[in-house]
Amino acid sequence: QVHLQESGPGLVKPSETLSLTCSVSGASISSDFWSWVRQPPGKGLEWIAYVHHSGNTEYHPSLKSRVTISLDTSNNQFSLRLRSVTAADTAVYYCARLQQVAERPPEYFDYWGRGTLVTVSS
Amino acid sequence: QSVLTQPPSVSGTPGQRVSISCSGSTSSIGRNFVHWYQLLPGTAPKLVIFRTNQRPSGVPDRFSGSQSGTSASLASSGLRSEDEADYFCEVWDDSLSGPVFGGGTMLTGL
Repeated sequence: QVHLQESGPGLVKPSETLSLTCSVSGASISSDFWSWVRQPPGKGLEWIAYVHHSGNTEYHPSLKSRVTISLDTSNNQFSLRLRSVTAADTAVYYCARLQQVAERPPEYFDYWGRGTLVTVSS
Repeated sequence: QSVLTQPPSVSGTPGQRVSISCSGSTSSIGRNFVHWYQLLPGTAPKLVIFRTNQRPSGVPDRFSGSQSGTSASLASSGLRSEDEADYFCEVWDDSLSGPVFGGGTMLTGL
């Protein structure tokens, strides 16, 4: 069974950098796509970024200038860095595996972590 | 404001058939498969329908999905208390080059 778990600070000050790590067990990050999704309080889900096992990355256009997603194959983890945060970045952050079928773009998230709440406040 | 439109809430009596709608555009639902997730507080989101109408292993067969034009729906053929949760639709959007989600629907029993 594939298991994902997010870790990182629950509180980040405005203008600083939010850093999260997703630890994966039951699957190798050297295959598939891996992604971050967030849910601000009282709002819907928002895709942030994904990384392919080859190292190729894609970012949501609205966040692209502030976000970096990366793989750590030696520890079977992947990470998210979001710079210059504001209160609008307060959300539950989820890591998830993104599935691709045949040669189509990646389609659906088949395994998720439980999420971690990150609050941006001074 | 979400790219995909869902009703904020849907309710039904135990055993009743209920459905949740998801409306998109030609660049999203009009061209790609819709997927559905169940969210319960404090738990990992769960994929309940993928590629319009496919159920992952372990998802009860009372859940079904359909898709036509720029709309999709998720249905439960007989509402159970354990189905009460938030549900989100998701689809790849060609104009974004990424996945987009609906705003979510809270499914409750009366």
